[in-house]
Amino acid sequence: GAVVSQHPSRVICKSGTSVKIECRSLDFQATTMFWYRQFPKQSLMLMATSNEGSKATYEQGVEKDKFLINHASLTLSTLTVTSAHPEDSSFYICSADRIHDGETQYFGPGTRLLVL
Amino acid sequence: KQEVTQIPAALSVPEGENLVLNCSFTDSAIYNLQWFRQDPGKGLTSLLLIQSSQREQTSGRLNASLDKSSGRSTLYIAASQPGDSATYLCAATNNAGNMLTFGGGTRLMVKP
Repeated sequence: GAVVSQHPSRVICKSGTSVKIECRSLDFQATTMFWYRQFPKQSLMLMATSNEGSKATYEQGVEKDKFLINHASLTLSTLTVTSAHPEDSSFYICSADRIHDGETQYFGPGTRLLVL
Repeated sequence: KQEVTQIPAALSVPEGENLVLNCSFTDSAIYNLQWFRQDPGKGLTSLLLIQSSQREQTSGRLNASLDKSSGRSTLYIAASQPGDSATYLCAATNNAGNMLTFGGGTRLMVKP
């Protein structure tokens, strides 16, 4: 149990377009989902915390209007990179906190975004 | 397939002790290894990142080492404090840099 999926696993897009990444908890409900990104040779960094039915909380330096997060249900959160630019190319990974189990996060496999 | 294991799963120590958390990985062809801290209900906080060509990294009271040949990394915490109580995770990035494999974590409790 406790599987988190991400879709797509890889995406290549043109500069200026928007890209949506989905994060799903397949066999459990998640009160909270987290979005991270990792640039080459850098550590995984938290971007935002998303609670179902409320606005996401963004970390300092992360533009909320550029990285739109929607957490419409207890099993789905989406991250939309709007007007993507080459510097947004990165590895994006989500994780989910299972209800009643806030001490364990379950991670998705990640999405590799390449903006040309 | 990479597998990452952390030992112990839980650890309780009195304040002031120095301690070592262990992380082992099965595939030595890694891009880097990271250590994170997780507080209940919160996102991960990156602690230390060791590139595959490095042997160790230090930040304050934390020191992480990497031995690729033996598939091991350790996180050393000096003079532990109650505020260090959290779950500590290590994660190995594969050589292509596009996949993270996490260990199961070590839940640390530092008692005053």
